[in-house]
Amino acid sequence: DAKTTQPPSMDCAEGRAANLPCNHSTISGNEYVYWYRQIHSQGPQYIIHGLKNNETNEMASLIITEDRKSSTLILPHATLRDTAVYYCIARLSSNTGKLIFGQGTTLQVKP
Amino acid sequence: GAVVSQHPSWVICKSGTSVKIECRSLDFQATTMFWYRQFPKQSLMLMATSNEGSKATYEQGVEKDKFLINHASLTLSTLTVTSAHPEDSSFYICSARSGLGYTGELFFGEGSRLTVL
Repeated sequence: DAKTTQPPSMDCAEGRAANLPCNHSTISGNEYVYWYRQIHSQGPQYIIHGLKNNETNEMASLIITEDRKSSTLILPHATLRDTAVYYCIARLSSNTGKLIFGQGTTLQVKP
Repeated sequence: GAVVSQHPSWVICKSGTSVKIECRSLDFQATTMFWYRQFPKQSLMLMATSNEGSKATYEQGVEKDKFLINHASLTLSTLTVTSAHPEDSSFYICSARSGLGYTGELFFGEGSRLTVL
């Protein structure tokens, strides 16, 4: 399973884009990059995932570099409710599909 | 997205008693469920993988006789903390996989906070 590295914390101004980086230099060809977030005292919430191509949904965009060694999660217009711990995870390439969480990035959106 | 529900959301028990936590997938069938534990200001730690109709697979260092997992149906998995002690106090979270193969999304329950006195 590929290890991911994220900055421990980031700040973002409300209404601005939040760009959360993630390094996964040892990711294998069939491992997906998943992003989850956890708001205090709640279960993690799925945000987005991708393999090679950039992805966008109603919550965020995921930009994966061509060599797949890093990715960036973009929240286009951060709100105070986006304050949470964001986890970048390389999904194990096995049938169990379990998620192994790292330390994540604590994003603080400020007014 | 799919809904995963846990019950109870919080529980307080005396040391030495056993506590059961339920995890249900409400609108989909989950052949695989996962149980995590989270201590304050720490990340989630995977405890075990639960497959419907078979024995759970525990992660290294997790005592299978202390944390009993049952996955008797496609919508329900239970975690029983046996003979709980204060060090077992934690936030327990389950997740269930929707869809086939490992690309299926994992949906998480709201978590169950256990406090052992």
